[in-house]
Amino acid sequence: GENVEQHPSTLSVQEGDSAVIKCTYSDSASNYFPWYKQELGKRPQLIIDIRSNVGEKKDQRIAVTLNKTAKHFSLHITETQPEDSAVYFCAASPQNYGGSQGNLIFGKGTKLSVKP
Amino acid sequence: GAVVSQHPSRVICKSGTSVKIECRSLDFQATTMFWYRQFPKKSLMLMATSNEGSKATYEQGVEKDKFLINHASLTLSTLTVTSAHPEDSSFYICSARGRRPETQYFGPGTRLLVL
Repeated sequence: GENVEQHPSTLSVQEGDSAVIKCTYSDSASNYFPWYKQELGKRPQLIIDIRSNVGEKKDQRIAVTLNKTAKHFSLHITETQPEDSAVYFCAASPQNYGGSQGNLIFGKGTKLSVKP
Repeated sequence: GAVVSQHPSRVICKSGTSVKIECRSLDFQATTMFWYRQFPKKSLMLMATSNEGSKATYEQGVEKDKFLINHASLTLSTLTVTSAHPEDSSFYICSARGRRPETQYFGPGTRLLVL
């Protein structure tokens, strides 16, 4: 089955700097890759996602890139702010996600700390 | 956007009792809901996939008789932890597939503490 590796496990940056989190996946048939942000004790919130027919997607300070050949995708946060501090999870969907049995396989998470 | 609620948010129970957790999609119909378990500082571990009107599909290692899942309607799925023990203490989160077929929206989670 699908396996998702996420690095680094912790990341500390200075406010205003950029942060990059990388994930690799094993199932070449996976076709949907969302990123979730989870603050302490709260629910994961979808922040950006990308499908396999697109190489890059951007939403204000957040961008995601996908390299299908290498089977890796990355989250880029520019001009980081203290409120960006949270745990970020990447995920990949195995083949046939749109079917009734589709689910997400999550990475282990990255704890991002943005220091003022 | 899609809203998912979960109840209760926190529960403390004695060992041996059963606990029911409800997950509701408030403004959309969710044909598929997912149940996750999350340990402190750990990732989300999928426990089971719940489809309305059919039996849940459990992930390897998850006891279906221990964690009973019912998805009786398009807006409600329940997880019952039967004969709970201290090792069942965890953060349980449900999610529902939204209007976009691939997007999952998470409930706020239920923190279970079994004494």
